[in-house]
Amino acid sequence: GDSVTQMEGPVTLSEEAFLTINCTYTATGYPSLFWYVQYPGEGLQLLLKATKADDKGSNKGFEATYRKETTSFHLEKGSVQVSDSAVYFCALSDPGGKLIFGQGTELSVKP
Amino acid sequence: NAGVTQTPKFQVLKTGQSMTLQCAQDMNHEYMSWYRQDPGMGLRLIHYSVGAGITDQGEVPNGYNVSRSTTEDFPLRLLSAAPSQTSVYFCASAYGGKDTQYFGPGTRLTVL
Repeated sequence: GDSVTQMEGPVTLSEEAFLTINCTYTATGYPSLFWYVQYPGEGLQLLLKATKADDKGSNKGFEATYRKETTSFHLEKGSVQVSDSAVYFCALSDPGGKLIFGQGTELSVKP
Repeated sequence: NAGVTQTPKFQVLKTGQSMTLQCAQDMNHEYMSWYRQDPGMGLRLIHYSVGAGITDQGEVPNGYNVSRSTTEDFPLRLLSAAPSQTSVYFCASAYGGKDTQYFGPGTRLTVL
């Protein structure tokens, strides 16, 4: 079945460092890909998405490109802030529209 | 526009008790779903609904029931709680199954 694999956390960075969180997927067909973010004590919020190969999703300085050839959707940000500390989830939507999540990657940014 | 609301925020149950987790949305979304979040496992789909009167099972449906009598509400019922159901539960909604899902704030459930 379809699945999503994320790099394990926690990831600890200093403010203004470059961030990469790896995400790879296995899917039949051409799923849409998502990054969701969960701030402490809150629900999930959509961070960005891409619906077809080579699409780049971007929001709040975060970017991810849908790479069909490597089945990847890595999340990047050029300069992280303390306020970016959260748990990040990569997800895909299967042919029926159901979301399948990776296990989540906790990011902690230190001043 | 409140979005997706969930009640209660926290709940403690004893093994064998029953309860209903409430979920409501005011965005006129057809698609609603329930997930549970456990450490190191991401979110797993319990049940989902593509419209009023229609529900289906997700990845981990055992021990849970749902119904969808209105577009706005999608309650999740635990008929006989077990410690394995200790988790954080999230409800989500979307216009359709392939559209962006909007999540509620979650219910943290502990079963003793």
